Amino acid sequence: DAGITQSPRYKITETGRQVTLMCHQTWSHSYMFWYRQDLGHGLRLIYYSAAADITDKGEVPDGYVVSRSKTENFPLTLESATRSQTSVYFCASSDLQGAVDEKLFFGSGTQLSVL
Amino acid sequence: DAKTTQPNSMESNEEEPVHLPCNHSTISGTDYIHWYRQLPSQGPEYVIHGLTSNVNNRMASLAIAEDRKSSTLILHRATLRDAAVYYCILRDFMNYGGSQGNLIFGKGTKLSVKP
Repeated sequence: DAGITQSPRYKITETGRQVTLMCHQTWSHSYMFWYRQDLGHGLRLIYYSAAADITDKGEVPDGYVVSRSKTENFPLTLESATRSQTSVYFCASSDLQGAVDEKLFFGSGTQLSVL
Repeated sequence: DAKTTQPNSMESNEEEPVHLPCNHSTISGTDYIHWYRQLPSQGPEYVIHGLTSNVNNRMASLAIAEDRKSSTLILHRATLRDAAVYYCILRDFMNYGGSQGNLIFGKGTKLSVKP
């Protein structure tokens, strides 16, 4: 089925390690987003991408790196994981960002624990 | 700043209507009001959005005040499956997202549905 998929579903890592969270969408949506969700903060935007090779920072970008070499993939990398990056990460896509009937489509999330 | 205010939590009985309020006193004339919901252990999903007129779809209705400073999401007959966190969202043009802004999720309203 077409959709947006995230992997892995769960990840445990250690402080200082590099971790990459994957996001893949099959709609060819131009816009993709990474959010993190923590208790007491709701969802916060980390990075977003308007198209392949175009990325920009969101509200909480520090400690994260993104790339978008292909339209369908938008990986998120924690270059040196810290405990404060323990969170649930959601990827989303949209093909009409800013338009009247824009809708964001979210993946099921990756629960990351940094020990 | 695209700010909305929602109650932290609400309770409803199954098969009764639910009215979820949202205040957005700083809304601009061209801001759409978006609603998403997040079921337990899932990513958010789109519910409805509107500009000035009341809107209906298969999931819910959106009633927008005449001055647009508040809106209400209406679930006509709550079911146990409607138990979720409901987010009322405006586009944030100030902090990031370039000229098109981004949808910024707050903490939402946690809806509990009693059988």
